[in-house]
Amino acid sequence: DAKTTQPTSMDCAEGRAANLPCNHSTISGNEYVYWYRQIHSQGPQYIIHGLKNNETNEMASLIITEDRKSSTLILPHATLRDTAVYYCIGGNNNDMRFGAGTRLTVKP
Amino acid sequence: DAGITQSPRHKVTETGTPVTLRCHQTENHRYMYWYRQDPGHGLRLIHYSYGVKDTDKGEVSDGYSVSRSKTEDFLLTLESATSSQTSVYFCAISERHQETQYFGPGTRLLVL
Repeated sequence: DAKTTQPTSMDCAEGRAANLPCNHSTISGNEYVYWYRQIHSQGPQYIIHGLKNNETNEMASLIITEDRKSSTLILPHATLRDTAVYYCIGGNNNDMRFGAGTRLTVKP
Repeated sequence: DAGITQSPRHKVTETGTPVTLRCHQTENHRYMYWYRQDPGHGLRLIHYSYGVKDTDKGEVSDGYSVSRSKTEDFLLTLESATSSQTSVYFCAISERHQETQYFGPGTRLLVL
């Protein structure tokens, strides 16, 4: 399973785009990249996932590099409620390894 | 939100006592998972189930057992609780292999 590397913390101004990077250089060809977030004391919440192509949904966009060694989660207009820990996970669903994630703080 | 409930939501128990945590889903999803979350370790998979009576171990299964007698319920049992099992426990479900997981609200367990 892919090991992922994320920055420990990031800040973002309210209303600006938040770009959260993730390195997953050991990801294999059939492993998806998943992004979840966890708001304090709550269960993790699914955001988006992708395999090769860029993806967009109502919450975020996911940009995956052509070599699949890294990806970026984009929150286009961050709000204070987006303050959370964001987890990037590479792997299959039966052995998903959640690391420490990136603590995103959205500031007014 | 996916229909996942966990009970109890909070529990305090003593070392050596048995504890059972329950995860209940109303989504009829095939896969169910138990994780624990501790500071410095993130979320770690304890056990998961891929169908009624079908379960397998995760990364940190020692000291835990699970059972799934019906699709909607997945039980996590600590046969003899230890202080190292003090944690927040999350249940998750997914419809198919390699698909999105949906998490429950968590159970805070304190073992004294």
